[in-house]
Amino acid sequence: DTAVSQTPKYLVTQMGNDKSIKCEQNLGHDTMYWYKQDSKKFLKIMFSYNNKELIINETVPNRFSPKSPDKAHLNLHINSLELGDSAVYFCASSLGQGRNTGELFFGEGSRLTVL
Amino acid sequence: GNSVTQMEGPVTLSEEAFLTINCTYTATGYPSLFWYVQYPGEGLQLLLKATKADDKGSNKGFEATYRKETTSFHLEKGSVQVSDSAVYFCALTNSGNTPLVFGKGTRLSVIA
Repeated sequence: DTAVSQTPKYLVTQMGNDKSIKCEQNLGHDTMYWYKQDSKKFLKIMFSYNNKELIINETVPNRFSPKSPDKAHLNLHINSLELGDSAVYFCASSLGQGRNTGELFFGEGSRLTVL
Repeated sequence: GNSVTQMEGPVTLSEEAFLTINCTYTATGYPSLFWYVQYPGEGLQLLLKATKADDKGSNKGFEATYRKETTSFHLEKGSVQVSDSAVYFCALTNSGNTPLVFGKGTRLSVIA
């Protein structure tokens, strides 16, 4: 049973398209995150939700819109894809605000390639 | 703000060599420090952590000691194996409510 699962694992699409990546965790955690990893492996946080509420929104273009229907799911929708959006997107979860030990549980990543 | 600086990679070692990956940090207060590892094609996973000064985190033969005086958390292993080939990330957080801040990662390749 995968703790944090993301779909799809690979996504190849044309510039200008809209795409979504889904994430689910079965750990009972309250907090979920989206990180972007570029080609040089640099990992940067994009968003964080705690119990369905947005708590961190880093400097990310408005084309990126996260949605958390419940605390076990955090989806990422990207409009009008650009070449620079090509990256690996990681979903992660942790216990919750005030209870975090700093340990994040990561999904396997979704590699997005924009042509 | 908080930041983490790791040595640039890639690092290439022969099997059974000694490994050191340097990590220094800038943070207010007393952060908790972490090393995460990313094996090829996988997400990151926690390798070890230390939550206060002079603590030593250890796992799978890897060790790192929280040095407040030098603001460092260097990763070491006495004898690396081919299976240790991965990207290693140093990270910190100030509190339970702030997200982890990661270093840029150091790629390790171990050759037989």
